[in-house]
Amino acid sequence: DTAVSQTPKYLVTQMGNDKSIKCEQNLGHDTMYWYKQDSKKFLKIMFSYNNKELIINETVPNRFSPKSPDKAHLNLHINSLELGDSAVYFCASSQDGTSAYEQYFGPGTRLTVT
Amino acid sequence: GESVGLHLPTLSVQEGDNSIINCAYSNSASDYFIWYKQESGKGPQFIIDIRSNMDKRQGQRVTVLLNKTVKHLSLQIAATQPGDSAVYFCAERRWGGYQKVTFGTGTKLQVIP
Repeated sequence: DTAVSQTPKYLVTQMGNDKSIKCEQNLGHDTMYWYKQDSKKFLKIMFSYNNKELIINETVPNRFSPKSPDKAHLNLHINSLELGDSAVYFCASSQDGTSAYEQYFGPGTRLTVT
Repeated sequence: GESVGLHLPTLSVQEGDNSIINCAYSNSASDYFIWYKQESGKGPQFIIDIRSNMDKRQGQRVTVLLNKTVKHLSLQIAATQPGDSAVYFCAERRWGGYQKVTFGTGTKLQVIP
C-alpha cells in the first residue's frame, strides 16, 4: 500500500490556467507538507499543516492555496499558472510537526507550464 | 542567513568502495539533522538522522558524523552498491519550532560498476 500518494503524477498546462494537485497519506500522521523542487533539485518547503491547521506558510505567491479537508489529505491549488511554476511538487507527512520524526515523501507531481 | 550546503555536487565512486558525502550548515540553533536519498523519478527517502547532542550514529552500511565545532555533517556509505546511486540531501531542523526542515542543495552519487 502506498504511504503517501499524489495525483496526478504529471501535469502539463498552459500559462494562466488553474490546477490542483491532490495528496493523501494513509500513515495516520498528523502533519503534512508541500515542497517544491526546482530543476537544480533544490527542495524548498512551501506549506505545512498539522491536524488541518496551517503551521508553516513560507514566502509563496498567494496564487498557491493549500487546503486540508482532513488530516489525511492536503491539496494544493494553483491559480493563474506561470512559467516559473514549472517544477516537481512533493507532498510529505510526518507523525507530528514538533518532534523529530522523519518525513515520508510522495512520488511527486511534475508540473510543466507552457 | 541560514543555509545548508554541500561541498561536491557530484561524486563518482567505484562499486565496493566507501562513499563520503559532506554537508556544511550555518545555523547553530539546529537540533536535528537528517540525510535523505532521492532516486531518479521518486521522492526523497529518509536514510538516517542525528540529534545535535550526538556526534556519530550508525545504521545499516551508513554512518552519519556531526561536527558542531565546524558545523559539518557527513554521510558515509560502506561498500557502495549500484543501488546507492541517487541524489543525497542533508537537511536540518531548528530547535523549538514546528518541523520546518531546510534542505541542502544535494549531491549526486554515481556508482561505477
